[in-house]
Amino acid sequence: DVKVTQSSRYLVKRTGEKVFLECVQDMDHENMFWYRQDPGLGLRLIYFSYDVKMKEKGDIPEGYSVSREKKERFSLILESASTNQTSMYLCASRGGGGGGYNEQFFGPGTRLTVL
Amino acid sequence: DQQVKQNSPSLSVQEGRISILNCDYTNSMFDYFLWYKKYPAEGPTFLISISSIKDKNEDGRFTVFLNKSAKHLSLHIVPSQPGDSAVYFCAASADGRDDKIIFGKGTRLHILP
Repeated sequence: DVKVTQSSRYLVKRTGEKVFLECVQDMDHENMFWYRQDPGLGLRLIYFSYDVKMKEKGDIPEGYSVSREKKERFSLILESASTNQTSMYLCASRGGGGGGYNEQFFGPGTRLTVL
Repeated sequence: DQQVKQNSPSLSVQEGRISILNCDYTNSMFDYFLWYKKYPAEGPTFLISISSIKDKNEDGRFTVFLNKSAKHLSLHIVPSQPGDSAVYFCAASADGRDDKIIFGKGTRLHILP
């Protein structure tokens, strides 16, 4: 059974704090993604990674950075949290090739509130 | 510029009837389309997909139709069940170096008893 786990389901932080969101997948997938979901805006891609130590900016990378030191782990970092980063954060992974090529598997999400 | 559009934010359908969720896209390079279902406080789960070489794909109660000339796809759920109440996201991707999948804003489906 495929699994993407995220370190926290709910997180409350203060403005200016450094925030780490961790994501781990057990499917040996090459590609991993971080999205945020906001009402009326759908899913927006923050960063993605197609290999260890590789990263690509998505649509809204400002205020975020990422780290991929191991294939199974992809971390999202908020360098200095701001209230407009209050959101649901979703991690996903995707393998390459074969059937269901483009299917992404999502974690349960982290609801982050920045006060 | 929104490349994948779901113009209906919400939809209410009677239990047992057909639910039809619509999605339009603008990028003619998209060649693979997916539907995801999302319950509150959970991550999206993959539902069904279709390649641009097909115009229909069916999986149980779920059928996706693709009209490439109109750049339109739709998801049909027959018959609709209470557990189908969720937010449905349409997504599209273009194969190649760019691994991004573009999501629509979602349609919230309510199945009425």
